[in-house]
Parts: sequence; structure tokens; C-alpha cells
Amino acid sequence: AQKVTQAQTEISVVEKEDVTLDCVYETRDTTYYLFWYKQPPSGELVFLIRRNSFDEQNEISGRYSWNFQKSTSSFNFTITASQVVDSAVYFCALSRGDSSYKLIFGSGTRLLVRP
Amino acid sequence: DAGVTQSPTHLIKTRGQHVTLRCSPISGHKSVSWYQQVLGQGPQFIFQYYEKEERGRGNFPDRFSARQFPNYSSELNVNALLLGDSALYLCASSLARQGLYEQYFGPGTRLTVT
Repeated sequence: AQKVTQAQTEISVVEKEDVTLDCVYETRDTTYYLFWYKQPPSGELVFLIRRNSFDEQNEISGRYSWNFQKSTSSFNFTITASQVVDSAVYFCALSRGDSSYKLIFGSGTRLLVRP
Repeated sequence: DAGVTQSPTHLIKTRGQHVTLRCSPISGHKSVSWYQQVLGQGPQFIFQYYEKEERGRGNFPDRFSARQFPNYSSELNVNALLLGDSALYLCASSLARQGLYEQYFGPGTRLTVT
């Protein structure tokens, strides 16, 4: 069975601090996809990144970076120099290679960035 | 281009009633998926429709049904509402059924069952 665990329920940081959101996944598939979504108070899920299981390269996009490690089944997300606008709930998700339309979400991490 | 739209934004229903939620995908997108997000939890997959046919179903009772129209818009129907059906219902559209196509989510319909 596939499962995503986000152990951090809520994180509070002061603006400009770096913060890492943890994601641990479980799957027996060799082909799968990992995702991060942001959910601001408006409710709409905003896509941040997709990674396939064969690409363990870390990725950086502006202040965002992602660390994918198959050895520990983790796909962690780091925000550098956090800003108040980063306050949201962040979800990590997993999909199988043969049913990539079906996203399996973790329970989310609520990030509060204080000025 | 307009994003995924959903209607209504909010809805209050009584136990036992029926509800219909609507979703319009991004122009050109043929796949629509529905998710249920209970407060404090991550979204859970309900259905995927592609080319007007159900292509995937999550672990939800038969009280939940959906359909997709020729213009690729979709309706989610829930019969005999229970208090536990109170949630944010999210619709996502994608160019194709699967593969390396992003799913774009709408703002959701917040359903409250009293």
C-alpha cells in the first residue's frame, strides 16, 4: 500500500528563517511520482513540484529546494529566507506510475511565518 | 486563461439530502478528478473521469457518483448526506488521463452537512 507521512503538524518560524518540511513515503512500486502542493487560506491547491522515482537530483527553484532520497524514502522541502506569504498548509503527495492521476496525500504541515 | 472553476463556493445541507457539485476544467483539459478534504486532513481521491468515462475510483461508498459532460465539465453527486460528508470538495483538471501532466486544482466547494 502507498502512504505519505508528514510528521510535522505545524511549524512556526520568524521571517527570514530557513525551514524544512519533512515527507516520508511508502510504496513497493519501482515507478512512482512525488509531489508538493501549497494550500493557502483560499483553499486552492497550488502545484510546486513533481519528481519521478528515477530522478534523485535535488532541485532548487528560487527560495525553494527539494531533497529526494530513495534510501530513506524521503522527499523534503526547504524554504530559504521564509516570508510571510509562505504561510500556508503544505502537502506532500505520491502517485503510482500506472495511475499517476490518483494522488495520495499526506496530512499536511501548516507553516506560519511571523513577521 | 481561466483556471479550474467550481460551484457553488459554499453549501449547507441537511442529513439525508442530496447535493450536486460542479466543476469546469481548464480549456483543453479532458481529465477531471474529484477529491474530498476533511478539515485537518489531506485530500482523498474520489473519482477520475477522462473522455466522459470513469477511469478511477477511490474508496468511497456508492452514495458518491459523478459524470463528465461532452464539454468535459463534471458533476459530483452525493446522496443521503451524512454529517461526515462535511468537507472541502476539490476538483482537478489535467490534459490527459495520466503521464507527466500536472493536475490543476480549483478553489473547492465547502459542504457543511447539519
